[in-house]
Amino acid sequence: GQNIDQPTEMTATEGAIVQINCTYQTSGFNGLFWYQQHAGEAPTFLSYNVLDGLEEKGRFSSFLSRSKGYSYLLLKELQMKDSASYLCAVLDSNYQLIWGAGTKLIIKP
Amino acid sequence: GAVVSQHPSWVICKSGTSVKIECRSLDFQATTMFWYRQFPKQSLMLMATSNEGSKATYEQGVEKDKFLINHASLTLSTLTVTSAHPEDSSFYICSVRRGLADNNEQFFGPGTRLTVL
Repeated sequence: GQNIDQPTEMTATEGAIVQINCTYQTSGFNGLFWYQQHAGEAPTFLSYNVLDGLEEKGRFSSFLSRSKGYSYLLLKELQMKDSASYLCAVLDSNYQLIWGAGTKLIIKP
Repeated sequence: GAVVSQHPSWVICKSGTSVKIECRSLDFQATTMFWYRQFPKQSLMLMATSNEGSKATYEQGVEKDKFLINHASLTLSTLTVTSAHPEDSSFYICSVRRGLADNNEQFFGPGTRLTVL
């Protein structure tokens, strides 16, 4: 079956750095997405990786290793507004988006 | 600006009534739209894939006669929850996906919160 694993919840301190990991097992691979979702709102796009390596976009970076079925989202200089759920999703060989359960990130002052 | 809009943003209805949710792609024509449902503290669950001009493709376990999908144009898809019951109360989100040339980016509507009394 298809499976995406990410931690359920993480806690970090304002101003610090946090890394949210995601491992996947899917039928085929056409890219991996990271989305941010605040409570009661729809997800918003953060990043898309289809090749191995690190993609940096401001305070957020996303890394992919296809051979390991692994990705991480790195958030730097954490702000209180970064408190949200972070969803990892993989586009499989049929271009279906397979979603992880999300990681709830709690930022403490 | 917003790429996808949904209407209404929230709705409260009595058990047994039907509710229609509209999803509009504002930025580009979408031959395919996706309908998701999300229960509190759970991840998104794909309900169906809406295809313009043809029948929607439903995920396993989703009743097609209960959740009617109409994708009448390249910018509009509607989801009708028929004979709604309290267990249908959820957050319904539609999305559209750009093509390969645009990194397959998937845009989400703001969601519709349905409460069935």
